[in-house]
Amino acid sequence: DADVTQTPRNRITKTGKRIMLECSQTKGHDRMYWYRQDPGLGLRLIYYSFDVKDINKGEISDGYSVSRQAQAKFSLSLESAIPNQTALYFCATSDSLAGRDTDTQYFGPGTRLTVL
Amino acid sequence: AQSVTQLDSHVSVSEGTPVLLRCNYSSSYSPSLFWYVQHPNKGLQLLLKYTSAATLVKGINGFEAEFKKSETSFHLTKPSAHMSDAAEYFCVVSDPAASKLTFGTGTRLQVTL
Repeated sequence: DADVTQTPRNRITKTGKRIMLECSQTKGHDRMYWYRQDPGLGLRLIYYSFDVKDINKGEISDGYSVSRQAQAKFSLSLESAIPNQTALYFCATSDSLAGRDTDTQYFGPGTRLTVL
Repeated sequence: AQSVTQLDSHVSVSEGTPVLLRCNYSSSYSPSLFWYVQHPNKGLQLLLKYTSAATLVKGINGFEAEFKKSETSFHLTKPSAHMSDAAEYFCVVSDPAASKLTFGTGTRLQVTL
């Protein structure tokens, strides 16, 4: 969905390096999410944010941190990357307004991260 | 707690034949259920969504899914497969109170000539 963009699209880094993945959206949604996808495991939730002042851990938050810089921007950081963080990372958004479709999430194109 | 089980990790069909991708769910409340599709090197695209309005849900590209509460199933079907349907498909259940999704492990659909 072009309304949700992720940068970079591909990144190769080395063990121990700090890396940031960025997500921006023009959908006007207040809720944003970070997932990682591993083969055979589906998508697993890392962190989510329901508004600029709200940050919540997902099921696999260890080794990651996030920053919600604005309603439209949500960044994921790996403070010290390790090889088992090699995965495809997706950002997603959803709307919370009553009367809207509040539980459908819209996904960005993904960032493929390789940690050597 | 909620969970999703996709019963097949890989499905192979011939072009022009029917597609059936199976999904069972577990939820302690009335869930919303989704099917998303991921084409190679692409993000996830919403195929269809069930929200209790109708048990048979029609989606994009000729896909549909039927919600069967007694069987806790939400299988995805298409009458005639096309080569462009080759992709990975995810069955997803929503926790509406927490605005969180739980994903199945995915079914890779292969379409052969």
